[in-house]
Order: sequence, then structure tokens, then C-alpha cells
Amino acid sequence: EDKVVQSPLSLVVHEGDTVTLNCSYEVTNFRSLLWYKQEKKAPTFLFMLTSSGIEKKSGRLSSILDKKELFSILNITATQTGDSAIYLCAAPKQGGSEKLVFGKGTKLTVNP
Amino acid sequence: DAGVIQSPRHEVTEMGQEVTLRCKPISGHNSLFWYRQTMMRGLELLIYFNNNVPIDDSGMPEDRFSAKMPNASFSTLKIQPSEPRDSAVYFCATGQGNSPLHFGNGTRLTVT
Repeated sequence: EDKVVQSPLSLVVHEGDTVTLNCSYEVTNFRSLLWYKQEKKAPTFLFMLTSSGIEKKSGRLSSILDKKELFSILNITATQTGDSAIYLCAAPKQGGSEKLVFGKGTKLTVNP
Repeated sequence: DAGVIQSPRHEVTEMGQEVTLRCKPISGHNSLFWYRQTMMRGLELLIYFNNNVPIDDSGMPEDRFSAKMPNASFSTLKIQPSEPRDSAVYFCATGQGNSPLHFGNGTRLTVT
């Protein structure tokens, strides 16, 4: 059965800290891995990763994929209280947007 | 673009009542997904449609759940009769081709 596992389940840090969120996967016909951020409402898209070793970056957030070891990490540097959210990792079973399998998420709390 | 629009935002109902959740996809998106999110199980795919046709409903928990997509701009998820264990946040998400999914703000369902 396809699955995506995230760790840790929750994390509490202080503003300015750097955090690393982990995502491992076992998905048949793997094509890509996606990261979403969920604050109070809808998950919003952060990154889509398809190639090993190529870092994707957006401001203080970056992510990388290791297709050999079947995992991805999401890094957030110089965290701010606005980074507090649930970070979700997902992989589509057949590539593209079809049938995303989600991890349970990492709840990040950034304290002032 | 108004994004994926779901209604109602909140629904509180008594056990045994029928519940209908609604979704208006982003114009031009040809895939539509219904997800359910709980603390225990995270985001679970219930059913997805492609070009208004149900492709995979294997995630629908039981016969009490049904979903329709009568046209490209509207979908419903119905629970009849509802039970307390159905309490969750129900998300509709839509996509086009290999683009990442866009989520609605969800409907928080409470069945007492």
C-alpha cells in the first residue's frame, strides 16, 4: 500500500531557529513529491519535486528530494511566527495531480 | 480567479440527518477530488472525478457516502444518514494536468 510518512508530528521552536521537516515515501510509479502548508484553512502549495538532488527554494523555505533513499526534507531558516502551520507532504500515485497520498503532517509552532 | 469554492463553511447536524457539501471548482480544471481530514487519520482521499466522470471511489467509507459531478462547475458530496464519526473537515480540491492541486477552504462538519 502506498504511504507517506512525516516526522516529527509536531515541533515547537523559537523565532530565528532553523527547522528541518522530514518526509519518507513508498509509492508505486513514483513521479513527484509535493509540499503544502496548511494554516487555518486550505492547504496551499509550496513545492513540487521530481528530480533527486536539485534544491527548490522560495525565500526562507527550501526543499530537496532523494529518490534513492525515498525521502524529502523541507528546511525553513530564520523562522517567524507566521511560519506556524501544518506542513503536509504528498505524492501522486500516477504522477501529476491524480490521487495524492498525504502524510499526516508536521505541526510547526514558532514562538516569539 | 476566486479559487475553489466550498459551501457551507460549517455544518452542525444531528445524527441521522442528511448532509450535502458543495464544491465549485476553478474554471478549466478537469480533475476534482474530495478529501476528508481528521486529527487521527490526516487527509484521506474519498473520491475523484476527471472530466466529470468518477474515476476512483475506493476511498468512500461506506454506502452512506455518495458524490456527484453533474457538470464541470459543480460537485456535491452527500452523507445520508450522518453519524458522529463523520465529523471532520471535508476538502474539495481541483487540478489540471500535472499542475499541483488547489484546495478549497473546506467544510467543517460536526455531527452530534
